Amino acid sequence: QSVLTQPPSTSGTPGQRVTLSCSGRSSNLGSNPVHWYQQLPGTAPKLLIYSNYQRHSGVPDRFSGSRSGTSASLVISGLQSEDEGDYYCAAWDDSLSGLVFGGGTKLTVL
Amino acid sequence: EVQLVESGGGLVKPGGSLRLSCAVSGFTFSSYSMNWVRQAPGQGLEWVACISSGGDYIYYADSLKGRFTISRDNAENSLYLEMNSLRVEDTAVYYCARDLTVKPCDYWGQGTLVTVSS
Repeated sequence: QSVLTQPPSTSGTPGQRVTLSCSGRSSNLGSNPVHWYQQLPGTAPKLLIYSNYQRHSGVPDRFSGSRSGTSASLVISGLQSEDEGDYYCAAWDDSLSGLVFGGGTKLTVL
Repeated sequence: EVQLVESGGGLVKPGGSLRLSCAVSGFTFSSYSMNWVRQAPGQGLEWVACISSGGDYIYYADSLKGRFTISRDNAENSLYLEMNSLRVEDTAVYYCARDLTVKPCDYWGQGTLVTVSS
């Protein structure tokens, strides 16, 4: 059971806009920024979005993030086939004194 | 170019020990905190531990405290994870990742597979 909650799967068609959600509690998302990671099949994770909405270097502006209260969202606009993979949210948890991840959302591009 | 290369994974019996290494290049290692993150087969990411740039602050996932030890050698540009009393459920790919306070795990290695099995 992951500390941060993400839906296990979602899908979209090329060109579509999809929203991935992440929910937590006051000790993590409620008081610390959220970060998003992309893991394409067979590869190591990569940082996508940090500090709620900042894009990591090289990340296209099709990816955007936001955080409100104890929830966060990652929006992918203009979905492309190469976006298919797993997406994880993460945040520091003050109660656990550690970085906590969501269980991940598997994005399928139909 | 930032590079992180893990090594030391392999097959170990339950109760055994293993030491993972992460060799880094392309940045000033001594200026960054570092993390270990693991991923069990077919599962999500699990943070394991982090160590501050000078090694004076260390944090562990509660479930691993007492069995795993993170350390670093800034002169050798290397990060380590000593794993003892290994269990079947420790089977995973172990990644090292660079850390910034505002940008945790901004660069990752390719991972090293640890298999705990009799």
